[in-house]
Amino acid sequence: DAKTTQPPSMDCAEGRAANLPCNHSTISGNEYVYWYRQIHSQGPQYIIHGLKNNETNEMASLIITEDRKSSTLILPHATLRDTAVYYCIVRGGNFGNEKLTFGTGTRLTIIP
Amino acid sequence: GAVVSQHPSRVICKSGTSVKIECRSLDFQATTMFWYRQFPKQSLMLMATSNEGSKATYEQGVEKDKFLINHASLTLSTLTVTSAHPEDSSFYICSAREPLAGAYEQYFGPGTRLTVT
Repeated sequence: DAKTTQPPSMDCAEGRAANLPCNHSTISGNEYVYWYRQIHSQGPQYIIHGLKNNETNEMASLIITEDRKSSTLILPHATLRDTAVYYCIVRGGNFGNEKLTFGTGTRLTIIP
Repeated sequence: GAVVSQHPSRVICKSGTSVKIECRSLDFQATTMFWYRQFPKQSLMLMATSNEGSKATYEQGVEKDKFLINHASLTLSTLTVTSAHPEDSSFYICSAREPLAGAYEQYFGPGTRLTVT
């Protein structure tokens, strides 16, 4: 699986949009970009995933660049409960066999 | 989304004893389950992949005789830490793969905090 690079930490004011970047310059054509988050002392929570097109769900939006070498997770109106470590993961398309490999992630702190 | 549970949520045991952690998929059948370990302020490290009815596949450096994994049914996998030592104290997290049409999403349990004294 391709490696990802994320900033180790970010702050965002409550109510503002949190934009979390991820670089995955070695991503291959059949690899998806996944985002998970982990709130302190809990299991990771799935947020969103995408292949080429931008995606949106009730939690967040995922913007993938045209060359797919980077992406941005957007939390449109951050709340204090969004404070967590956010992991960007690239995973192959052979869903039956591949596993999720976690990097160090971005520790997002929402400031009141 | 699908729900994965773990039991117990916390366990304290004495050095040399064995501890069993259960992972259940509550509303779906999981042919594949994963076990991760997380030390304080570190990321999740995959320990092993278990497929229902077959032997688990362990990641490099993980002792299969120490971390026994059983995936006897489509909704239950267990991790037994045998002859636990203080260095095995960690946060153990399981996840289960839910097969959807054309994709397999992976959902995580809440984790089990193991403390070995």
